[in-house]
Amino acid sequence: DIQLTQSPSSLSASVGDRVTITCRASQAINNFLSWYQQRPGKAPKLLIFGASTLQPGVPSRFSGSGSGTDFTLTISSLQPEDVGSYYCQKHNSAPFTFGPGTKVDIK
Amino acid sequence: QVQLMQSGTEVKKPGASVKVSCKASGFIFTNYGFSWVRQAPGQGLEWMGWISAFNGQTLLGQNLQDRVILTTDTSTTTAYMELRGLTSDDTAVYYCARAAGASSPDYWAQGTLVTVSS
Repeated sequence: DIQLTQSPSSLSASVGDRVTITCRASQAINNFLSWYQQRPGKAPKLLIFGASTLQPGVPSRFSGSGSGTDFTLTISSLQPEDVGSYYCQKHNSAPFTFGPGTKVDIK
Repeated sequence: QVQLMQSGTEVKKPGASVKVSCKASGFIFTNYGFSWVRQAPGQGLEWMGWISAFNGQTLLGQNLQDRVILTTDTSTTTAYMELRGLTSDDTAVYYCARAAGASSPDYWAQGTLVTVSS
């Protein structure tokens, strides 16, 4: 099965900072990658699918890029409400594995 | 509007089974599938499986495929996840989420806490 890794596992940044999270697949998955945000105590929320397509209603400060094995989620200007964990997920074929997550908080 | 509402908290003994429901509304039920994802306390997300509400086709994670049963009831627009042979390792919050095809779930329910304890 294809495995996903994420880096960093956690980060602390200031409000307004640019934040970048990386997801790497053990084999190429074309652009079949999604990103989710999970705020503390809440259900996950879809941010980006198809590696770079913003889910309707998601703020434009979130963006995704990449293809093949290397993917990036960028928050252009970190806001207090962005605190939580971020997960990538492959969706090219089952199993639709999640990455281990990146925890983001405010410095 | 799209709504997914799961059944409430469960406490089970080791070896028992649990069945979690996910009531859907606000969209055409049979146009979608439902993914099930669980999250153990303090841990990440684990994809369990997916079921088509159109034809009942399922895709299951290898770790759980011998113990999990996914079903849907189109008459009540409800998806179900049954997990058998519970152990303490199955203590987690279980989520259902709407997924077009078998891809990115776009709406998630609130989650159901299942605690397995003797």
